Amino acid sequence: KAGVTQTPRYLIKTRGQQVTLSCSPISGHRSVSWYQQTPGQGLQFLFEYFSETQRNKGNFPGRFSGRQFSNSRSEMNVSTLELGDSALYLCASSLEPYQETQYFGPGTRLLVL
Amino acid sequence: QQQVKQSPQSLIVQKGGISIINCAYENTAFDYFPWYQQFPGKGPALLIAIRPDVSEKKEGRFTISFNKSAKQFSLHIMDSQPGDSATYFCAGSFGNEKLTFGTGTRLTIIP
Repeated sequence: KAGVTQTPRYLIKTRGQQVTLSCSPISGHRSVSWYQQTPGQGLQFLFEYFSETQRNKGNFPGRFSGRQFSNSRSEMNVSTLELGDSALYLCASSLEPYQETQYFGPGTRLLVL
Repeated sequence: QQQVKQSPQSLIVQKGGISIINCAYENTAFDYFPWYQQFPGKGPALLIAIRPDVSEKKEGRFTISFNKSAKQFSLHIMDSQPGDSATYFCAGSFGNEKLTFGTGTRLTIIP
């Protein structure tokens, strides 16, 4: 069974631009969570989607948004990029919301210049 | 705030030694404490997890020790190997709420 896939793997943007990241969960998994990973802050929860609905949201500004499609694939969008948005963005999937075992993708490395 | 504090930030251990990483949590409602292992260029992967009804769980060379009264738990890696070099994250959660992660420990095993 294929793991969680994330595209693109690397991305370079400039301040003020917007970016869309994509996540395909493991087949059959219906819950997708997004995390931001930075060296100083560790993994910070962004949001979680289940059945195309945002079930929970972390403490991030409204520039961060996401959605989930009927096939459970998910996208996250960051508008008006700031230098501080440079990070590794990780997607994790599980069968059900916050099921104990979450399977992480390799992440998208975003660099904002 | 539901915080999980992890230490040390980085750790260097000689091959064959014991690696110990500590975490402390604040939310007494937490009932699930996993450890994740992350290699460069990869996402975190579940290594081992414990619930507060036991004080210790062992899987191979990896052991979680749990102290409910102190609200602390730790990961012990026995006979540490160079292949164990990675970043380790502890976390806590309760019910079906989100995982709250520690800030990570970069472990380096030297020959």
